[in-house]
Amino acid sequence: DPKIIQKPKYLVAVTGSEKILICEQYLGHNAMYWYRQSAKKPLEFMFSYSYQKLMDNQTASSRFQPQSSKKNHLDLQITALKPDDSATYFCASSQDRWTVSYEQYFGPGTRLTVL
Amino acid sequence: GEQVEQRPPHLSVREGDSAVITCTYTDPNSYYFFWYKQEPGASLQLLMKVFSSTEINEGQGFTVLLNKKDKRLSLNLTAAHPGDSAAYFCAPGSGGSNYKLTFGKGTLLTVTP
Repeated sequence: DPKIIQKPKYLVAVTGSEKILICEQYLGHNAMYWYRQSAKKPLEFMFSYSYQKLMDNQTASSRFQPQSSKKNHLDLQITALKPDDSATYFCASSQDRWTVSYEQYFGPGTRLTVL
Repeated sequence: GEQVEQRPPHLSVREGDSAVITCTYTDPNSYYFFWYKQEPGASLQLLMKVFSSTEINEGQGFTVLLNKKDKRLSLNLTAAHPGDSAAYFCAPGSGGSNYKLTFGKGTLLTVTP
């Protein structure tokens, strides 16, 4: 069974619209993350959450808003979509900061295409 | 912030050959180091990890070497096979409250029969 679920797998949107990317993890982890991967840029860290609190935000634009309704959920809302937002968005999770090893496990990704 | 340089961007070897991918990093506080493998169209799979208290880690046909003095990390594959064809990413991790990973740009490894 998949331990990290991302929905949808593929998403096509028009410029200016708004979309929400869903992420749920069933690993019992307390920290969750969003990364972005596109042809133009390598894997790019976006956000990290720990116990449902924002720990780090490396996204310059406020159009990207993470939302954590439950400890094992971290959704990503993107507003006023632009073609440059086209990328694969990966959700990841790890144990909390108090463990020695905090390797991150990645979900399957959501491939977003903005027309 | 952390700067990671990974080389080479592309690497093509024949089956049975060795392959070496190298990363250099800048943050002296980097304590955990990870290598991820990404097959075409797939997600990232944790391949290897090494901590600053160890310098060598082996498994799955790979060896990871860490040189803390030079801030250099390498992934060594001793006998490549076609199933190893994928993109490989190094990711130093810093501790503290952020524990984010900064990824290198990746190396696309192609192993031909």
